[in-house]
Amino acid sequence: GNSVTQMEGPVTLSEEAFLTINCTYTATGYPSLFWYVQYPGEGLQLLLKATKADDKGSNKGFEATYRKETTSFHLEKGSVQVSDSAVYFCALSGSAGSSASKIIFGSGTRLSIRP
Amino acid sequence: GAVVSQHPSRVICKSGTSVKIECRSLDFQATTMFWYRQFPKQSLMLMATSNEGSKATYEQGVEKDKFLINHASLTLSTLTVTSAHPEDSSFYICSARDVGSGANVLTFGAGSRLTVL
Repeated sequence: GNSVTQMEGPVTLSEEAFLTINCTYTATGYPSLFWYVQYPGEGLQLLLKATKADDKGSNKGFEATYRKETTSFHLEKGSVQVSDSAVYFCALSGSAGSSASKIIFGSGTRLSIRP
Repeated sequence: GAVVSQHPSRVICKSGTSVKIECRSLDFQATTMFWYRQFPKQSLMLMATSNEGSKATYEQGVEKDKFLINHASLTLSTLTVTSAHPEDSSFYICSARDVGSGANVLTFGAGSRLTVL
């Protein structure tokens, strides 16, 4: 079945550091890929998405490129801020049938940014 | 944008009692809603798919008699944890898809933290 694997946290960085959170997936067909963010005490929010190979999703300085050849969707940001401290979830939804409406999440990566 | 509201945000109950959690789509209609469970420092596990006007579809390993789901209208789904026990303590999150948005994007509620004493 479909699955998502992302790097374990916690990840602690200094402000303005470069961020990469790795995410790889297993799926049949052409899934849609997502990054969700959960700030402390809040629900999940969609950060960015990509629906087909080579698409790049971007938002708030974060980027991720849908790489079908490596089945990856790594999250990157060039210069992180303290306000980026949160838990980040990589996720996918299937390409067809009943799996198209279900979103499967990775285990989440907790990111802490030091001032 | 699309907003999903969950109520209550926190609930504490005694073992053996039942607890109902509501999930509402505030500015859109949702024929399908999803219920997730999140354990501390872990990912969201899909429990069931709530379908308006029909029975919910449960994921493998989820007890349908324990976690009752009702989706009586296009804007409301409820999850009832029956005869709750301490092991049911968790963070329950619902989500809904705004079909009007076109893309397969879910909007999540802020979650409901259940503590069973």
